[in-house]
Amino acid sequence: DAKTTQPTSMDCAEGRAANLPCNHSTISGNEYVYWYRQIHSQGPQYIIHGLKNNETNEMASLIITEDRKSSTLILPHATLRDTAVYYCIVPFENGGYQKVTFGIGTKLQVIP
Amino acid sequence: GAVVSQHPSWVICKSGTSVKIECRSLDFQATTMFWYRQFPKQSLMLMATSNEGSKATYEQGVEKDKFLINHASLTLSTLTVTSAHPEDSSFYICSARELRGRATEAFFGQGTRLTVV
Repeated sequence: DAKTTQPTSMDCAEGRAANLPCNHSTISGNEYVYWYRQIHSQGPQYIIHGLKNNETNEMASLIITEDRKSSTLILPHATLRDTAVYYCIVPFENGGYQKVTFGIGTKLQVIP
Repeated sequence: GAVVSQHPSWVICKSGTSVKIECRSLDFQATTMFWYRQFPKQSLMLMATSNEGSKATYEQGVEKDKFLINHASLTLSTLTVTSAHPEDSSFYICSARELRGRATEAFFGQGTRLTVV
């Protein structure tokens, strides 16, 4: 599976944009990039995913570089409730389904 | 998004007993469900993949006789921790897959915190 690399931790001021980077230099042409987050002691929450075009939904925006080797998740106006561990994941095909495995992720701390 | 429900949310059991955790997809059919385990301050570790109507596929190092998985219907998968020991104390999380064309989104349950005493 395509390995992803993320910074271990980041801080962001409340109300400011949080930009979380992810490197996935070994991603193949048909593999998607997914972002999930996990708030303490809860199950992971799906945020967004994309293939090559930038994507936006009610939670966040996903910017994927043209060579697809990296991406950035943007939380436009971070709130204290956005404090969580954010995972950048590239699932891989395994027997007809996509396998989702988690790395260490980025611990985002939103500061008042 | 789709809803995945786990039950119970937390459980305390005595060493040597067995514990069953249920994972239900409430508003969609899930042909594939995944079970993860998470120790404190660590990431989620995939334990096994559960396919409806067939045997589960376990990740390397996960004992299939200790962690019994049953996926009898398209909306229910169960994980039974047999002969639990204190080292099995962990946060167990299930995920159900809803297929949408080429890309899929995995929806996660709220997790079950197991404490073995």
